[in-house]
Amino acid sequence: EAGVVQSPRYKIIEKKQPVAFWCNPISGHNTLYWYRQNLGQGPELLIRYENEEAVDDSQLPKDRFSAERLKGVDSTLKIQPAELGDSAVYLCASSLDGRASGSTEAFFGQGTRLTVV
Amino acid sequence: AQRVTQPEKLLSVFKGAPVELKCNYSYSGSPELFWYVQYSRQRLQLLLRHISRESIKGFTADLNKGETSFHLKKPFAQEEDSAMYYCALRKGGPGANNLFFGTGTRLTVIP
Repeated sequence: EAGVVQSPRYKIIEKKQPVAFWCNPISGHNTLYWYRQNLGQGPELLIRYENEEAVDDSQLPKDRFSAERLKGVDSTLKIQPAELGDSAVYLCASSLDGRASGSTEAFFGQGTRLTVV
Repeated sequence: AQRVTQPEKLLSVFKGAPVELKCNYSYSGSPELFWYVQYSRQRLQLLLRHISRESIKGFTADLNKGETSFHLKKPFAQEEDSAMYYCALRKGGPGANNLFFGTGTRLTVIP
């Protein structure tokens, strides 16, 4: 089991350029999350999907960030245009049906480290 | 609003010494609390959750609702415990699935 797979692992871009991150969750996991982790901070939720529906995108800066999960499996997160402050590690995680009561473990990918110069 | 506070960014202990990583939270409802760990060059992974009331790798954590704390403890630290530890909270109830993380504590166990 490969777990949650993210690519690329590292990305360096110039400011104002676009960038995209890809995530393949664990098979059968309906819930997918994108988190951003700034240096010295804990992960902060950007968006959560239940299947293909974005059920919480309140923390996603919608002027430059967008995400999609068209078939309810893989997901992409895009930034256009990138700013210097977007430099961070972007984490994808997945879990079983998040709408069920009770605790469901979130499994994290390795993350994509973005550097905007 | 919910908040998770880990007051110590860095914590160093000697091998064999007891270790306690502090976590306090604020949330008006009944939350679920977790500890996640990230070893060097590895992904973030779940260490333990309060509802399981289990001991993982010798670590335990008790939810104290009166003090709104969920401190992580181990009686005898090992070198392999050196890692980044994050306390996390999930709001209780169906559909409340977002995890909120603290800023983390880097534990170093000195040989």
